[in-house]
Amino acid sequence: NAGVTQTPKFRVLKTGQSMTLLCAQDMNHEYMYWYRQDPGMGLRLIHYSVGEGTTAKGEVPDGYNVSRLKKQNFLLGLESAAPSQTSVYFCASSYPQLAGSYNEQFFGPGTRLTVL
Amino acid sequence: GEDVEQSLFLSVREGDSSVINCTYTDSSSTYLYWYKQEPGAGLQLLTYIFSNMDMKQDQRLTVLLNKKDKHLSLRIADTQTGDSAIYFCAETKPSGTYKYIFGTGTRLKVLA
Repeated sequence: NAGVTQTPKFRVLKTGQSMTLLCAQDMNHEYMYWYRQDPGMGLRLIHYSVGEGTTAKGEVPDGYNVSRLKKQNFLLGLESAAPSQTSVYFCASSYPQLAGSYNEQFFGPGTRLTVL
Repeated sequence: GEDVEQSLFLSVREGDSSVINCTYTDSSSTYLYWYKQEPGAGLQLLTYIFSNMDMKQDQRLTVLLNKKDKHLSLRIADTQTGDSAIYFCAETKPSGTYKYIFGTGTRLKVLA
């Protein structure tokens, strides 16, 4: 079991360039999430998905788009990168939270993105 | 509001106890969690506590929950250099929602 994997690990972009971050999980989780981590701000949710073919906005969705064409993959796109999107991006996955049960999120190793 | 607050840094000597604190604002939270992030890695679940519990112990880890004050703490006994990491507290809402709110993270540095 690879768990949650992210591609690429590092990337440097110029302002205005586009790119796609790929997240894959092999745990058959329904829910998948994209977060960004910035110093002193913790983790902020960008977009999430509760199942194949569905996506929804999180706390900081502007400037990002996502797609979940297959249950195991969740893609995060930056159409026109800006320096404010310099961050570390984490993908996570989980089962749905059930009544009376805790809910663990499983995280990928992160993608460090720098936008110049 | 749904803020989860933590102090940013904590430094302790090897062998001492570490106490990492967290305050949250939403009293409807059902579970509260502690995640650990080692350098260059993603977060991993360390422990969790159900909201109707006051305390949970798991080997060197003790979680205390004060619902009245909305305060959560993580105590690490006999802190080791391998415990150096960022620790995040987090809360989840009742079932049927996706929401998982993370705190700002506390960077623990263990001095040899």
